[in-house]
Amino acid sequence: DVKVTQSSRYLVKRTGEKVFLECVQDMDHENMFWYRQDPGLGLRLIYFSYDVKMKEKGDIPEGYSVSREKKERFSLILESASTNQTSMYLCASSPTGKGNQPQHFGDGTRLSIL
Amino acid sequence: DQQVKQNSPSLSVQEGRISILNCDYTNSMFDYFLWYKKYPAEGPTFLISISSIKDKNEDGRFTVFLNKSAKHLSLHIVPSQPGDSAVYFCAASAEEYGNKLVFGAGTILRVKS
Repeated sequence: DVKVTQSSRYLVKRTGEKVFLECVQDMDHENMFWYRQDPGLGLRLIYFSYDVKMKEKGDIPEGYSVSREKKERFSLILESASTNQTSMYLCASSPTGKGNQPQHFGDGTRLSIL
Repeated sequence: DQQVKQNSPSLSVQEGRISILNCDYTNSMFDYFLWYKKYPAEGPTFLISISSIKDKNEDGRFTVFLNKSAKHLSLHIVPSQPGDSAVYFCAASAEEYGNKLVFGAGTILRVKS
């Protein structure tokens, strides 16, 4: 079974802090993704990566950056946290970019910015 | 501009009856459609998918129907069970756009026993 592990289930940070969310997958998947989930908006793609050291902007990249130094690890960085970044953050991975290969999700990090 | 829409925020169904969850899309380039199920405090899990070259895919109690001309798909759950109570997300992808998933807002399904 594919395992996608997010380092924290709950996180509370202050406005202006630099925040790191970590995600690790154990199935040697090529692709990794970061989403945020907000009520009434579904899941929105922040950033994704097709390979080590590669990154692509998703639909809502503003205020975020990412890092993929190793194939199994994909980090999401909030450069200067703001209250509108309070959300549920979900990491996912998939073997390749083909549409018929579903993404596998972690359990999420609920981030609160005070 | 929401390309994938789930217009029903919630649905309540009696145990044993059919649950029908609907999804509409606007982009004709989408060539793959997926349904995910999400329990509280867990990540979404893949349920079933369908390619745009098909109009039906079945897996046990779950069937997805695709009507390309209407840009509409639906997920049927028969019979519904209390354990099916969850949020259901419809998602679509297009090879043209690198197969990134575009999600709908989700529908909360409650199955009453």
